[in-house]
Amino acid sequence: DTEVTQTPKHLVMGMTNKKSLKCEQHMGHRAMYWYKQKAKKPPELMFVYSYEKLSINESVPSRFSPECPNSSLLNLHLHALQPEDSALYLCASSQDWVLETQYFGPGTRLLVL
Amino acid sequence: AQTVTQSQPEMSVQEAETVTLSCTYDTSESDYYLFWYKQPPSRQMILVIRQEAYKQQNATENRFSVNFQKAAKSFSLKISDSQLGDAAMYFCAYRSANYGGSQGNLIFGKGTKLSVKP
Repeated sequence: DTEVTQTPKHLVMGMTNKKSLKCEQHMGHRAMYWYKQKAKKPPELMFVYSYEKLSINESVPSRFSPECPNSSLLNLHLHALQPEDSALYLCASSQDWVLETQYFGPGTRLLVL
Repeated sequence: AQTVTQSQPEMSVQEAETVTLSCTYDTSESDYYLFWYKQPPSRQMILVIRQEAYKQQNATENRFSVNFQKAAKSFSLKISDSQLGDAAMYFCAYRSANYGGSQGNLIFGKGTKLSVKP
């Protein structure tokens, strides 16, 4: 089973709202990722967690705050977003950060008004 | 820095026929992985095939196969007996096999949109 789940599927929020995206995997993977994907573009890496520790932050604005409560769960907390943050947010996981294949979730489509 | 280039923004194939998607990459490393991911309109990125650079044999997964030319830094995807469900955006991706820094991250090409005609 290579399933990564993400909730919600769609999210509309105002610029003053606080919301969270959730990602979950039960494959025993120890690395989890957040990507941002704009229309007709490849995914862009935002954060990497390896063994529940933040390993990579690709200079993402502080209005995006990741959290890894345990090895199966990854959250992305959103606050004071801008309309240009509207995108598809993809979560992925892999057995190991470097050596193993990343498996993606279905994504959350975010619209910031 | 490594780069991945997909020179075909769009491709079209007739159902049941064969199509090849191109991908070239640039790296100074000798050990790495290459991937093809498929992203249909449903949005989920699905792994199609993976190739380890140290393996000379080309990877195959059912109707999908690659032509991996390490010296030429080329990694093309062949889809045989194309089906309507193969219509999607296809991304080629590179990842270093070395630990440390950001070398575990996927580097994507810009994608090729494949249409399948009935």
